[in-house]
Amino acid sequence: SQQGEEDPQALSIQEGENATMNCSYKTSINNLQWYRQNSGRGLVHLILIRSNEREKHSGRLRVTLDTSKKSSSLLITASRAADTASYFCATDARGSNYKLTFGKGTLLTVNP
Amino acid sequence: GAVVSQHPSWVICKSGTSVKIECRSLDFQATTMFWYRQFPKQSLMLMATSNEGSKATYEQGVEKDKFLINHASLTLSTLTVTSAHPEDSSFYICSAVELKETQYFGPGTRLLVL
Repeated sequence: SQQGEEDPQALSIQEGENATMNCSYKTSINNLQWYRQNSGRGLVHLILIRSNEREKHSGRLRVTLDTSKKSSSLLITASRAADTASYFCATDARGSNYKLTFGKGTLLTVNP
Repeated sequence: GAVVSQHPSWVICKSGTSVKIECRSLDFQATTMFWYRQFPKQSLMLMATSNEGSKATYEQGVEKDKFLINHASLTLSTLTVTSAHPEDSSFYICSAVELKETQYFGPGTRLLVL
C-alpha cells in the first residue's frame, strides 16, 4: 500500500516565491527521501533525512521531519522556472531492507 | 554523485515479443537494485527487489514469470518483459542502493507494446 502521501497534489507559484510540499506516512521509518522528476524522466535524489534528524538543508532546499506526526515537509526557497517538476517523498520503512514506498507526488509549476 | 544508467531509453515492440531492459550502476557496486513501474501521471510502484547472486523478490501482484529479473553482477541487473502485451506499456525505472541508504535512479525506459 502507498505510504507516503504528499499534499498538495499540485502547486503553482511565481518565480522567486517559496514552495512548500508536505508528506505524511504511516509506519516507523529508517529515513525519508525526497526526489524530483521532470516529465518523462528518471528521478533525481534531492535529500535524505534520517529518523533521528529533524531538519536538513541543501542549497535552496530545507527538509523537516516530525516522526511524532509521521510527516515531513520540503521547502524550496526562491523558486526558479527550472524547479518545475514532480516531487515525491519516499520512505524507507524499518525492516523493509531499503525498499522505498513512494507517495503520489506534488506537481510543482513555477511560472516565470 | 552515483550514476545509474538504463538501456534502452525507449522501445517499441509487437505484442508477444520479449523485451530486455538493462540497469547498470556506473561508478559503484550495488548488491541490491530495485525495479519500478510508473504509469502516466502516477507514482512509482515497486515491482521487485533484485539481489546479486540470488533470486529476485517480487511484490504482491507482480508475476515473476512475466517479469524476469537477473542480477548477474554487482553492477548489472536486467528486467525481461516476456510475451509483452499492450497493457505492459509503461515507464520502467530501476534504482541501485549505494551506502545502504540512498537509492539512485536510472533515467527510465519507456516501453510501448503495439
